[in-house]
Amino acid sequence: AQKITQTQPGMFVQEKEAVTLDCTYDTSDPSYGLFWYKQPSSGEMIFLIYQGSYDQQNATEGRYSLNFQKARKSANLVISASQLGDSAMYFCAMRDLNTDKLIFGTGTRLQVFP
Amino acid sequence: KAGVTQTPRYLIKTRGQQVTLSCSPISGHRSVSWYQQTPGQGLQFLFEYFSETQRNKGNFPGRFSGRQFSNSRSEMNVSTLELGDSALYLCASSLVGGRPEETQYFGPGTRLLVL
Repeated sequence: AQKITQTQPGMFVQEKEAVTLDCTYDTSDPSYGLFWYKQPSSGEMIFLIYQGSYDQQNATEGRYSLNFQKARKSANLVISASQLGDSAMYFCAMRDLNTDKLIFGTGTRLQVFP
Repeated sequence: KAGVTQTPRYLIKTRGQQVTLSCSPISGHRSVSWYQQTPGQGLQFLFEYFSETQRNKGNFPGRFSGRQFSNSRSEMNVSTLELGDSALYLCASSLVGGRPEETQYFGPGTRLLVL
């Protein structure tokens, strides 16, 4: 069965600094996709970045980048130059191909302080 | 392009009542999935619809049901509400579903409080 593990319940970072949010995964599928979502207190789940298992390069989207280490089964999210508006819950997720559902980790609450 | 919309945004119901939530996917998206989010259980998959057919279902009792219309809009219904049904209900849409690289885009959610 597929599983996503996020071991950091909470993280603090100072504005303008970089922060890494950890995510490890477990799957036996040779082809898979990993997603990161941001959930502010308003509740909406905002898609941030995607990494495919066969992608040769780490994904980047603006200030977001993914440190993908396939052999270690990790897909850590790096946020550069943190902003106050980055304070939110962050979820790592993987698609279950049998049911088409997204399997989420427990999330990491990021707080950015001035 | 407009995002996923969900109505209503907030609902307060009492035990035993029933409720219907609505979701309009991104234009052109045909797969709609529903998730329940609670502090204790996290994000749990309810069901997925594609071309007006329920294609996948999570592990929820029969009180939870849904449907999809020909324009891909979807509704979910919860009958005989229980206190434990209080949650944020999130709807997500994707193009066709079933592919590992396909992104699901979420709506703002409906917060349901059962008293």
